[in-house]
Amino acid sequence: NAGVTQTPKFQVLKTGQSMTLQCAQDMNHEYMSWYRQDPGMGLRLIHYSVGAGITDQGEVPNGYNVSRSTTEDFPLRLLSAAPSQTSVYFCASSYTGEGSGNTIYFGEGSWLTVV
Amino acid sequence: AQTVTQSQPEMSVQEAETVTLSCTYDTSESDYYLFWYKQPPSRQMILVIRQEAYKQQNATENRFSVNFQKAAKSFSLKISDSQLGDAAMYFCAYRAPSEYGNKLVFGAGTILRVKS
Repeated sequence: NAGVTQTPKFQVLKTGQSMTLQCAQDMNHEYMSWYRQDPGMGLRLIHYSVGAGITDQGEVPNGYNVSRSTTEDFPLRLLSAAPSQTSVYFCASSYTGEGSGNTIYFGEGSWLTVV
Repeated sequence: AQTVTQSQPEMSVQEAETVTLSCTYDTSESDYYLFWYKQPPSRQMILVIRQEAYKQQNATENRFSVNFQKAAKSFSLKISDSQLGDAAMYFCAYRAPSEYGNKLVFGAGTILRVKS
């Protein structure tokens, strides 16, 4: 099982550039989300989706866009990168109902540096 | 809004000994879920243990157990017989089922160092 796959794992961007972090899951989960991890702050929710075509903002959405055209994919777009967006980004997925165990599955993280 | 507080930025434990990591949270919900995640230097997020608020019995997973005090809104993690491989950042996290999207709220984390 591939689980939750994030690409790229490492990226260096220049201020003002745009890029997309890819996230794919092969578990047919309806829920997907993006978090960022900064020193001393734990993980914070950027955007989330509860199904194809449905997205919403989390705690720190500014500077990021998302879309969910398929159940499997949930890309995160940085519109105009800023040094404040230097962080480690995690994609996560989950489902509800019998057997879910309330488990949220995380990708391995994407390290982004904006210079 | 729900908040999760981990008041210990760093903890140290001697190999084979027991350590307890603290976590408190704030919520007005009566039904929710609590988690402890381990993050080794690879940054992978590994689920250690979970607790449903409606269950009075504290969750246990091998050497890991929790002390869940619902009235006090406290959820501490006890690691028994600590091993070198337990050294990592540990995050406490909260999820309210009533919230749309299975969103997690994380604490700031506790770095656990294990001395040989």
